[in-house]
Amino acid sequence: SQELEQSPQSLIVQEGKNLTINCTSSKTLYGLYWYKQKYGEGLIFLMMLQKGGEEKSHEKITAKLDEKKQQSSLHITASQPSHAGIYLCGAENYNQGGKLIFGQGTELSVKP
Amino acid sequence: SQTIHQWPATLVQPVGSPLSLECTVEGTSNPNLYWYRQAAGRGLQLLFYSVGIGQISSEVPQNLSASRPQDRQFILSSKKLLLSDSGFYLCAWRKRGKTDEQYFGPGTRLTVT
Repeated sequence: SQELEQSPQSLIVQEGKNLTINCTSSKTLYGLYWYKQKYGEGLIFLMMLQKGGEEKSHEKITAKLDEKKQQSSLHITASQPSHAGIYLCGAENYNQGGKLIFGQGTELSVKP
Repeated sequence: SQTIHQWPATLVQPVGSPLSLECTVEGTSNPNLYWYRQAAGRGLQLLFYSVGIGQISSEVPQNLSASRPQDRQFILSSKKLLLSDSGFYLCAWRKRGKTDEQYFGPGTRLTVT
């Protein structure tokens, strides 16, 4: 079965610094989703990548999918306290109608 | 615009009691619907998904069940709760035929005592 591994598991950065979170799949990805979650709340959709080499940006957050479609990275530029939360990657390994498996998440803290 | 609601927001139930969690979607029709559970440790696990009224697929064998009595309503149920059923239950939807977006509800925090 497919597995997703996120790294790091937790991250503390100073406000204004850049950071990167990685998501690695054991199988080729059909689609890779990035979500953000505040404690005790639902998941906020950030973006979805599907094509090898694809890159998308939303405000100061950029996500990339590698050419082999087995790894994605999420990069935050000039981090702010509002970026704090848990970042989760979710994946389909082929077109399964939206059935996602998730990584364990990366907990991001931003120190002012 | 589309919105997704979950009810209740929090629930404390004794072991052996029944469960009914509701998820409703507004602003779209014929969506794919999903139930996930997030246990301690942050990972999410897909429990059920539905591509239409009355069509339910179970991903993990357990004492939970799901039903879709209406196009935009998805219900998660149990006849007898176990301690291990505690967790954060999230409903999600995706527009049929679209592959680029999947949205989650606010979640229901279930504590089984």
